[in-house]
Amino acid sequence: DAGVIQSPRHEVTEMGQEVTLRCKPISGHNSLFWYRQTMMRGLELLIYFNNNVPIDDSGMPEDRFSAKMPNASFSTLKIQPSEPRDSAVYFCASSFDGGNYEQYFGPGTRLTVT
Amino acid sequence: GQSLEQPSEVTAVEGAIVQINCTYQTSGFYGLSWYQQHDGGAPTFLSYNALDGLEETGRFSSFLSRSDSYGYLLLQELQMKDSASYFCAVRGSNDYKLSFGAGTTVTVRA
Repeated sequence: DAGVIQSPRHEVTEMGQEVTLRCKPISGHNSLFWYRQTMMRGLELLIYFNNNVPIDDSGMPEDRFSAKMPNASFSTLKIQPSEPRDSAVYFCASSFDGGNYEQYFGPGTRLTVT
Repeated sequence: GQSLEQPSEVTAVEGAIVQINCTYQTSGFYGLSWYQQHDGGAPTFLSYNALDGLEETGRFSSFLSRSDSYGYLLLQELQMKDSASYFCAVRGSNDYKLSFGAGTTVTVRA
């Protein structure tokens, strides 16, 4: 199994630009999570999908952030416009309902907004 | 909401035993998980406790006391490769999302 796939792995962009992060969950998993990790705020849940439906987006910081999951094998997190404070590592994780609730994390996207 | 407390740093020597405590306050509780994250890497799952007691997986064990809102991760026979951050995470509702603690950085010295 390829695991959770995220792209790009690194992104450097200028303030005001649009940024799109991509995630392919593990095949057969039906929950998908977007997290942001910074030294100051730790690991924060941004949004959680179950069966492609957004269940909880209370962690999305503001309207500049949006996420979609058009099908079971693809999700995007978009930031428009980006700001320097958005600089962080963004992780996508997926899990299979039931079992031991293990979440499988992707390698992350390191975003730098200058 | 949920809040979790765990120590920020622990240092120990190879071969030693380390216990990382985690206390939590949640409006609901379904289980406590532990994740390991090496520097520059992604979090990886270690354990999940839904019921009171000790779960053992090789050198690592995890304990939960629901009445005390407390759990711990026990790392035995420490190795250099165990140097990493360890996060406790609460499943606070009947869905699949987790709330993570701030993490404990474990440094293993020779």
